[in-house]
Amino acid sequence: GENVEQHPSTLSVQEGDSAVIKCTYSDSASNYFPWYKQELGKGPQLIIDIRSNVGEKKDQRIAVTLNKTAKHFSLHITETQPEDSAVYFCAAIDYKLSFGAGTTVTVRA
Amino acid sequence: NAGVTQTPKFQVLKTGQSMTLQCAQDMNHNSMYWYRQDPGMGLRLIYYSASEGTTDKGEVPNGYNVSRLNKREFSLRLESAAPSQTSVYFCASTEDRGDEQFFGPGTRLTVL
Repeated sequence: GENVEQHPSTLSVQEGDSAVIKCTYSDSASNYFPWYKQELGKGPQLIIDIRSNVGEKKDQRIAVTLNKTAKHFSLHITETQPEDSAVYFCAAIDYKLSFGAGTTVTVRA
Repeated sequence: NAGVTQTPKFQVLKTGQSMTLQCAQDMNHNSMYWYRQDPGMGLRLIYYSASEGTTDKGEVPNGYNVSRLNKREFSLRLESAAPSQTSVYFCASTEDRGDEQFFGPGTRLTVL
């Protein structure tokens, strides 16, 4: 089955700086890579996703890149704001969704 | 649309007790999932149902059973709760396997 590794486990950034979270996956058959944001006491919510036929995708301050050859994908958040503080999960799907362990992002004012 | 709803929100059980976690979705999705979330381990798949009438084991199925009651509802049952099952449980649904999963608000379960 798929194995997703996520780094770092915690990330503290100054407001306005960028944050980068990296994930690797093991199954070359995986073709869908979503990123979820989870706020305290809530369920995860999709913030951006990318499919294997695309190398990069942007949505305002959030971007995701995918390198299928190296089997890694990354989340980039630019101009971070306090409301970006949350736990972020990457995931990859072969026949089911496999999640990384999560990154706790803290944006310092 | 309420999306994905879960009941109860919180539950405390004693070891050996049984209970059923309920999940319902109003998006007419085909696939539904049960995950557990433990600190530092992300979300792990317990069981899933690719379509009405089918269920399959995920990564951590031991100690759990599921029922896909109809297209809307997918329940998770703990027959004899153990302290190792203390966790936050999330239900999710998706139109199809390669699509966005929508998560419920979670059930926080403590087994004493």
